Amino acid sequence: DIQMTQSPSSLSASVGDRVTISCQASQDISNYLNWYQQKPGKVPKLLIYDASNLEAGVPSRFSGSGSRTDFTFTISPLQPEDFATYYCQQHDNFPWTFGQGTKVEMK
Amino acid sequence: QVQLVQSGGGVVQPGKSLRLSCAASGFTFRSYGMHWVRQAPGKGLEWVSVISFDGSKKYYADSVKGRFTISRDNSNNMLYLEMNSLRVEDTAVYFCVRDHSGIYLVYWGLGTLVTVSS
Repeated sequence: DIQMTQSPSSLSASVGDRVTISCQASQDISNYLNWYQQKPGKVPKLLIYDASNLEAGVPSRFSGSGSRTDFTFTISPLQPEDFATYYCQQHDNFPWTFGQGTKVEMK
Repeated sequence: QVQLVQSGGGVVQPGKSLRLSCAASGFTFRSYGMHWVRQAPGKGLEWVSVISFDGSKKYYADSVKGRFTISRDNSNNMLYLEMNSLRVEDTAVYFCVRDHSGIYLVYWGLGTLVTVSS
């Protein structure tokens, strides 16, 4: 199975900051990497698919990059509604696997 | 609009069984792969299982392989997860999810809580 390792597990940031989250796959997954946002008590929401494609309706302050084993997710500038937990997820092979999540908290 | 209405959660003893159901509407159910994803209390997301649009292909996470069975009824727009030999560590909110072209998870049910406890 492909292991997805996210870092950091949490971070503190202020509105207007640039926030970067990393996700590393245990093997080459090409660009088959998605990013989701989850707020407390809510279902996850897709933000980025296939590493760098912004889902329709998602603000352009969210972006993604990377390929093979190393991926980056960026929020710039951070907005008040962006405080949430973010997950990467690979869809190269079944079983699909998620990273452990990164909680973005207010500084 | 797409709706995924889940039912079947509850409290069950270790070793027992439970079946989750998911009623789909607002899209052509027989055309889409369907997944189950779970989230233990206060923990992250864990992908559980997928079934292809026609039910011919099924995949499972290692943690549930041999104990859980995913199935679907395309005539009635229903998705199921049969969970046997339940363990305390299976305690989680289980989400029914529709995918988009096998690329990402796009529509989520509201989740149903399964608690495995003696």
